[in-house]
Amino acid sequence: SQQGEEDPQALSIQEGENATMNCSYKTSINNLQWYRQNSGRGLVHLILIRSNEREKHSGRLRVTLDTSKKSSSLLITASRAADTASYFCATAAYGNNRLAFGKGNQVVVIP
Amino acid sequence: SQTIHQWPATLVQPVGSPLSLECTVEGTSNPNLYWYRQAAGRGLQLLFYSVGIGQISSEVPQNLSASRPQDRQFILSSKKLLLSDSGFYLCAWAPGGNQPQHFGDGTRLSIL
Repeated sequence: SQQGEEDPQALSIQEGENATMNCSYKTSINNLQWYRQNSGRGLVHLILIRSNEREKHSGRLRVTLDTSKKSSSLLITASRAADTASYFCATAAYGNNRLAFGKGNQVVVIP
Repeated sequence: SQTIHQWPATLVQPVGSPLSLECTVEGTSNPNLYWYRQAAGRGLQLLFYSVGIGQISSEVPQNLSASRPQDRQFILSSKKLLLSDSGFYLCAWAPGGNQPQHFGDGTRLSIL
């Protein structure tokens, strides 16, 4: 089965800096999604990018998708302390009723 | 608007005891429903999902079972808990298989 896999890194940055995290996957996808999880809470959907899209923006978030490399990146610009969380990518395959989540990237934004 | 309720928020159970976690969704019909488990500092492991009443797909053989007695109700159960069942359990719903999922706030289960 396919699996989203983030680069296994914890990121610590200063407020105002940009944060970038990557995700790779192994099989064909319908779309790729990014989620945020604050400590001890459920995941919150951030953005969905379809397989025929290359870039998508939502507020301070920018997601890119390279299907030839089977990879995606999430950029958070002008980070804030409230952006401190774990970020997960998840892939959706055609005709599939489930998402494959990666292991997550922990981001700490220092005020 | 749609909401998802998951309870209890925390649960401490002895080994060998039964388990029942409940998840309900409001404001939508015929949702896909999902149960995940998350170990500390780890990713999500899909346990069960359901595309309709009485339809349960199991992803990982284990000590747990799931049921969907009503359209917007999803229950995770165990007859006898093991220490390895400890973790953070998350319920989620989605309008379709490839659509964004919406998560409850989770149940932190500790087995003693």
